[in-house]
Amino acid sequence: DAGVTQSPTHLIKTRGQQVTLRCSPKSGHDTVSWYQQALGQGPQFIFQYYEEEERQRGNFPDRFSGHQFPNYSSELNVNALLLGDSALYLCASSLRGHYSYEQYFGPGTRLTVT
Amino acid sequence: DAKTTQPNSMESNEEEPVHLPCNHSTISGTDYIHWYRQLPSQGPEYVIHGLTSNVNNRMASLAIAEDRKSSTLILHRATLRDAAVYYCILRLHGSGNTGKLIFGQGTTLQVKP
Repeated sequence: DAGVTQSPTHLIKTRGQQVTLRCSPKSGHDTVSWYQQALGQGPQFIFQYYEEEERQRGNFPDRFSGHQFPNYSSELNVNALLLGDSALYLCASSLRGHYSYEQYFGPGTRLTVT
Repeated sequence: DAKTTQPNSMESNEEEPVHLPCNHSTISGTDYIHWYRQLPSQGPEYVIHGLTSNVNNRMASLAIAEDRKSSTLILHRATLRDAAVYYCILRLHGSGNTGKLIFGQGTTLQVKP
């Protein structure tokens, strides 16, 4: 049983460019959350998708957007990249309705903006 | 969102027990206490969670104070593979907050051989 997978593993972009990161949830999970983790910091919640809609959003600008597909996989898009967007982007999956249950995290995508 | 406070770092010797404290004085009645850890170069992984009673699983034990304002994650025999950042997180129980985890700085655990 595959866990949460993310692609690509690493990515280097230039300021002003746009980037798309991808996530496949753990088998049987229907909810995907995205987090940004700057170096030396704890992960920060970006948003959560369920039933192909954004359900919750953290304190991130509109440059950060996402999408969830019918197979529950998800994309995170970041437009007009800034140097400060350099971070590890983590995807986590869970099964909606199990409020107290754990989330499963992928290994992350390391984004470097130059 | 309720806040948690953890020490920045702790050290332990291999094969000795480790007690990682967490204060959460503003916890509400429906907040679950979750612990995650993040090994180097990996995403966070779930460790354990509880509401009121102490909990045990194959990875660790969670001791929750009677007033629920603090909790302690217990690793019974630390190994070198337990060296990680440990996060104590309060997770609201309710339909409006099924996914959001609020991570703090966590406690960096070093395990010495």
